[in-house]
Amino acid sequence: EVQLVESGGDLVQPGRSLRLSCTASGFSFGDYTMGWFRQAPGKGLEWVSFIRSNTYGGTTENAASVKGRFTISRDDSKSVAYLQMNSLETEDTAVYYCTRVVGVFMAADYWGQGTLVTVSS
Amino acid sequence: QSVLTQSPSASGTPGQRVTISCSGSSSNIGSNTVNWYQQLPGTAPKLLISGNNQRPSGVPDRFSGSKSGTSASLAISGLQSEDEADYYCAVWDDSLNGVVFGGGTMLTVL
Repeated sequence: EVQLVESGGDLVQPGRSLRLSCTASGFSFGDYTMGWFRQAPGKGLEWVSFIRSNTYGGTTENAASVKGRFTISRDDSKSVAYLQMNSLETEDTAVYYCTRVVGVFMAADYWGQGTLVTVSS
Repeated sequence: QSVLTQSPSASGTPGQRVTISCSGSSSNIGSNTVNWYQQLPGTAPKLLISGNNQRPSGVPDRFSGSKSGTSASLAISGLQSEDEADYYCAVWDDSLNGVVFGGGTMLTVL
C-alpha cells in the first residue's frame, strides 16, 4: 500500500525557515517524481514544487510564488522528500501535501494527509 | 485569480448527470492533458481523472473526462450523495512552466 506521511509543519514567524519531510512507503521511491502542493485555509489547491527521479536527472520545477525561497530535494536511500522553506511569508500559510507524481500527465496519484504551516508574528 | 476557470458551484439530485467545466488557454489546456481531483470535506485531494480521460484504478466509471480545444469537462453520471465534494482541474502550463489549477467547483447533491 502506498503511503506518504508529511511532517515538520509548525507555527513560525515571517522571515524564518522550516523544513518539511515526506516519508514514503509501499512503492519504489527512486523511480518516481515527487511533488508538493499546498492549500491555504478556505482556498483552492496550488502546486508548489516537483523533483524528478534521478533517472531523469533529479531536476526540479518550482512555482513562481516560491522560486528562490523554497527548495525541494530527495533522499532515495531513505525514501524521503524534503521541502526547505526559507524567508517564509504570511501568504505561505497553508496545509502542505506531499504527492507521488506519475507519467507525462504530471498527475499526483497519491497524496499524504498534509501538514499545516502557519506563518504569523 | 486562477489561471483555469471553473464555475464556483454546481448541483444535482441523486441519479442525475452533472458536468463541471474548466476553461483555459493555448498554453495550458490547448497544449497539455488535463487532470481532475476530488476533495471530500476535510480530506486530502484524490486523483479522479488523468490524461484528459483516464480513470485510475478504483475510480467508478460514473466519472468521465473530456477535452476540446482549450476547455475540459468532468462528467458525473448517476450522481450519489457521496459525490458531494470540491472538484479541481489541473494542467501543465507551458508559458508559466508549472502546474496551474482551476479555482475549484463545489458540488452539492440536493
